[in-house]
Amino acid sequence: GAVVSQHPSWVICKSGTSVKIECRSLDFQATTMFWYRQFPKQSLMLMATSNEGSKATYEQGVEKDKFLINHASLTLSTLTVTSAHPEDSSFYICSATQGARYEQYFGPGTRLTVT
Amino acid sequence: AQSVTQLGSHVSVSEGALVLLRCNYSSSVPPYLFWYVQYPNQGLQLLLKYTTGATLVKGINGFEAEFKKSETSFHLTKPSAHMSDAAEYFCAVSGGRGGYNKLIFGAGTRLAVHP
Repeated sequence: GAVVSQHPSWVICKSGTSVKIECRSLDFQATTMFWYRQFPKQSLMLMATSNEGSKATYEQGVEKDKFLINHASLTLSTLTVTSAHPEDSSFYICSATQGARYEQYFGPGTRLTVT
Repeated sequence: AQSVTQLGSHVSVSEGALVLLRCNYSSSVPPYLFWYVQYPNQGLQLLLKYTTGATLVKGINGFEAEFKKSETSFHLTKPSAHMSDAAEYFCAVSGGRGGYNKLIFGAGTRLAVHP
C-alpha cells in the first residue's frame, strides 16, 4: 500500500516552453502533497506543500509564478514549470501524506531536462 | 530551526564489513527522525524511523539506528554490507514549526561497497 506515482518519469523540453508533472497517490487519499527538487548529487529541497482544494504554500526563494502547483483532488497534484530554462533542469520528486499522518510516501521522481 | 548534518558525503566499505553512516540533528522540539535510501534515478525509500519509545529502531534490509538525545545523533548501522546496499542515504528530521509532516533532509551520504 501507499504507492505514489509520477508521470512522466523523464521529460525533455525546449527553453521557453512549459511542462507539467503529475503526482498521484494510487491507493490512498493524499490530503497533503509535497514537491521537492534535487540537483545532481545533492539533497532534496522542499519547494512547496499543497493541500487538496487550497493554494500551495511555497518555500522561501521558490517562484510561485514559475512553479505552478495544483492539488485538485485527493489523489492528484500537478507541478507545472512555466517558461522553462536550462537552469530548471533537475530531478523533481513528489511525496504524499495520508490524513493526519506524518509519514511521507515518495514518488519515483521526474527528470526534467531543458534544452 | 531544525537541521540535519550527515558527516561524510562518501563512505566506502568492503562487502561484509560494518556500515556506519552518521547523522546529527538540531531541533528545539522532540524530533521525528528518518533514514531514507535512494538508488540512481529513483525516489526515496524509507529504511526506518524514530518517533517515540524505544530508541533503537530496526528497519528494512538489516539496517538499524539508535536515537541518542544526549548526543543529538541518529546514526545508521548495518553489521554486514552487501553489494546491493550501494546507494545514497539521507537522514531527515521533522517537527518544530513546520510540523511533523515537514521533512528537513541532510546532504546525503553516498555508500560504496566494494568486493
